[in-house]
Formats: sequence, structure tokens, C-alpha cells
Amino acid sequence: EVQLVESGGGLVQPGGSLRLSCSASGFTFSIYAMHWVRQAPGKGLEYVSAISSNGGSTYYADSVKGRFTISRDNSKNTLYLQMSSLRAEDTAVYYCVKPSWENYFFDYWGQGTLVTVSS
Amino acid sequence: QSALTQPASVSGSPGQSITISCTGTSSDVGGYNYVSWYQQHPGKAPKLMIYDVSNRPSGVSNRFSGSKSGNTASLTISGLQAEDEADYYCSSYTSTSTRVFGGGTKLTVL
Repeated sequence: EVQLVESGGGLVQPGGSLRLSCSASGFTFSIYAMHWVRQAPGKGLEYVSAISSNGGSTYYADSVKGRFTISRDNSKNTLYLQMSSLRAEDTAVYYCVKPSWENYFFDYWGQGTLVTVSS
Repeated sequence: QSALTQPASVSGSPGQSITISCTGTSSDVGGYNYVSWYQQHPGKAPKLMIYDVSNRPSGVSNRFSGSKSGNTASLTISGLQAEDEADYYCSSYTSTSTRVFGGGTKLTVL
């Protein structure tokens, strides 16, 4: 059974940093690209970041480029999102998402972790 | 990348059919057969309902169907049930190899 378990969310002040983790199990983590999607309170889904299976290629939405860093440790089956220079508008539930093999759609989602940026 | 356009809300009575549209451009919806749909109940993670425009994952009711014409994709739910009340999001692969979501549609079962 595929499981994605996010952790690391919490309350952080504007300008602060936070690192999210996503522990994956039930599939061969090292051969799949992985993604982060976020959802601000009462809002829709926003595609945030992606990383290739070997970590050599990454993507960032314009809204987080230069502030967020996606990475992975295939030996630990873990995906990360390092967030810095956090802003109030980064407040959201962050989902770790596994794509299909072809990487065109998202077949499994974690339960999400809430990040609140507030003073 | 601009979000795909979905109606903010739709509604229907039990047993009826409803359709949710998702409009993009030739750089996303119109250019690829890689549109997917997700159902999200309050406080829950999204769930895949349709992939590659019209395919249903194992376990998803055949009351859910998808289609596409030009730059607009559609999700149809037939035989509406109370449990279908949720938010629905479309998503598409894009010409820049990224993904884009629609703004979401709130389905109310009257």
C-alpha cells in the first residue's frame, strides 16, 4: 500500500524558515519523480515544486522560486521541501504527491501538513 | 502558467447528472490528452477520479466520466449521490513540462 506521510509543518514568523519532510513507502521511491502541491485556507490547489527521480532536475512555481528548495534522499525514501524567507501568503496545507509512472497525473497524495506564517 | 478555468459552483439533485468544465489553452488542455480530475472532501486530501482525459482508476465509480473537446475538458457525474458533494479540481500537463490546476468547483447535491 502506498503511503506518503508529511511532517515538519507548524507556525513560523514571516521571514523564517521551515523544512518539510515526506516519508514514502509501498512503492519504489527512487524511480519516481515527486511533487509538492499546496492549498491555502479556503483556496484551490497550487502546484509548487517537482523533482526528478535522481534529484538532478527540479521545478519551482514562480511564487516560490528562489525561496524554496526541493530535494530527496532515495536511501531514506524521503522527499524534502526547504522553505525560507517565508511570507504570509505561503500559509497553506502542503501535500506530498506521487505521480503515475508516466508522470502525467497524481495517483497518491499524502494527508498534508499545515504551514502557518504569522507573527 | 495561468490556472485552468472552472465554474466556482455547480449543483444538482440526487439521481441527476452534472458536468463540470475545465478550460485551458493549446499549451495545456488542448495540446495533450493528459487531463486529470480530483475530488476533495472537506479536510481531506484530493483523490484521483479521472486520468488521461477519460480513464477511471480502479475503484472509482463508473458514474464518473471525462471527455475533452479542443481546449475544454469536462467531468460528468451521473446518478448524483449525496457522497459526491465535494470540491473538484482539474489538472493538465503543460508545454513546459509542468502541471497546472483549475480553480476548483464546489459541487452541491441538493
